[in-house]
Amino acid sequence: SQQGEEDPQALSIQEGENATMNCSYKTSINNLQWYRQNSGRGLVHLILIRSNEREKHSGRLRVTLDTSKKSSSLLITASRAADTASYFCATDGRGNYQLIWGAGTKLIIKP
Amino acid sequence: DAGITQSPRHKVTETGTPVTLRCHQTENHRYMYWYRQDPGHGLRLIHYSYGVKDTDKGEVSDGYSVSRSKTEDFLLTLESATSSQTSVYFCAISELSADTQYFGPGTRLTVL
Repeated sequence: SQQGEEDPQALSIQEGENATMNCSYKTSINNLQWYRQNSGRGLVHLILIRSNEREKHSGRLRVTLDTSKKSSSLLITASRAADTASYFCATDGRGNYQLIWGAGTKLIIKP
Repeated sequence: DAGITQSPRHKVTETGTPVTLRCHQTENHRYMYWYRQDPGHGLRLIHYSYGVKDTDKGEVSDGYSVSRSKTEDFLLTLESATSSQTSVYFCAISELSADTQYFGPGTRLTVL
């Protein structure tokens, strides 16, 4: 079963708007990661946030982590058509070598 | 981009035939993973490796086997392909356990 649950499953916004997607998880973690997948391509790592961090930025991306609520959010500011993709969160909550993946949020940026 | 290649990139085969997918890395990363991705299921781990000749099962390992005889290569074998194994298969590598993963371009497998 998937630990990470992204919300919403799909999101459609206008170019230039901000996009926010959320991830919830069930067990304690050491880190949480966000990945992007363009249609027909492999996943690309976006950002990793550790359990002792609350917020992290990378370019137009902002990730927050609330370990008390077992949730994370990914904010993409000033969205562009090229941001159209599926976004996945992954956690290390199994305590072994594996990541636990959510089912993803499909983001569509309308021109 | 991390140096990961997968071969073949596309394959069509018939039920009951053996199939081997290859993942090759040039990064010397210790950890390697095989996932399948199907609509509505996200990524599901098939098998993973934590070193040469060290492998373990993931959540959907039935019908699959793997081998890793050297650091750079991780092979996924479907001993007798079934239509339920029609999927897109991704290989990933990681330098550290349960840390950032780098993905290959994927192999689209169709079993008729």
